[in-house]
Amino acid sequence: AQRVTQPEKLLSVFKGAPVELKCNYSYSGSPELFWYVQYSRQRLQLLLRHISRESIKGFTADLNKGETSFHLKKPFAQEEDSAMYYCALMDKLTFGTGTQLKVEL
Amino acid sequence: EAEVAQSPRYKITEKSQAVAFWCDPISGHATLYWYRQILGQGPELLVQFQDESVVDDSQLPKDRFSAERLKGVDSTLKIQPAELGDSAMYLCASSLDRDEAFFGQGTRLTVV
Repeated sequence: AQRVTQPEKLLSVFKGAPVELKCNYSYSGSPELFWYVQYSRQRLQLLLRHISRESIKGFTADLNKGETSFHLKKPFAQEEDSAMYYCALMDKLTFGTGTQLKVEL
Repeated sequence: EAEVAQSPRYKITEKSQAVAFWCDPISGHATLYWYRQILGQGPELLVQFQDESVVDDSQLPKDRFSAERLKGVDSTLKIQPAELGDSAMYLCASSLDRDEAFFGQGTRLTVV
């Protein structure tokens, strides 16, 4: 069965500090992975997907098949990055439990 | 900009009563998902439709939950009878095949 694990419920960093949100997955085939974000009082929305290999709002994520990981990174956190972040895996769109990112001034 | 619409936004119901949620996906999106999200947890997939067909409902508690998408457009999720443990946010999402999923604002259900 496919599974997504996000080990941290809460990650608190200072503004300007680097951010790394961890995601590990379990899947027998070739994975399709996504990061979704939910800002306060907004809908859950796509942040980025691994196949596009793009940087969105300064965030990047690299798929590491050897470590079965898809960690989300940003070199310098900004206050507006504070949100709930979910890692997700296709083909049944399965979500992790989420990590609350809090960027403090 | 097209959005996924859900109604109602909030629902309070008594234990053992029936309750229904409605979802209108983005036009042209063949894939429709229903999720349940309990406070502090991630969204849990209940059922996935491809057009009018159920692709996956392995996590749907079929003794009390049912879902339909009769014409392959809008969808209804029903709970009968509701239990206290069903209190949660119910999210609907739609997508073009395996592409980005667009979420509705959800229906917050409270069972008393």
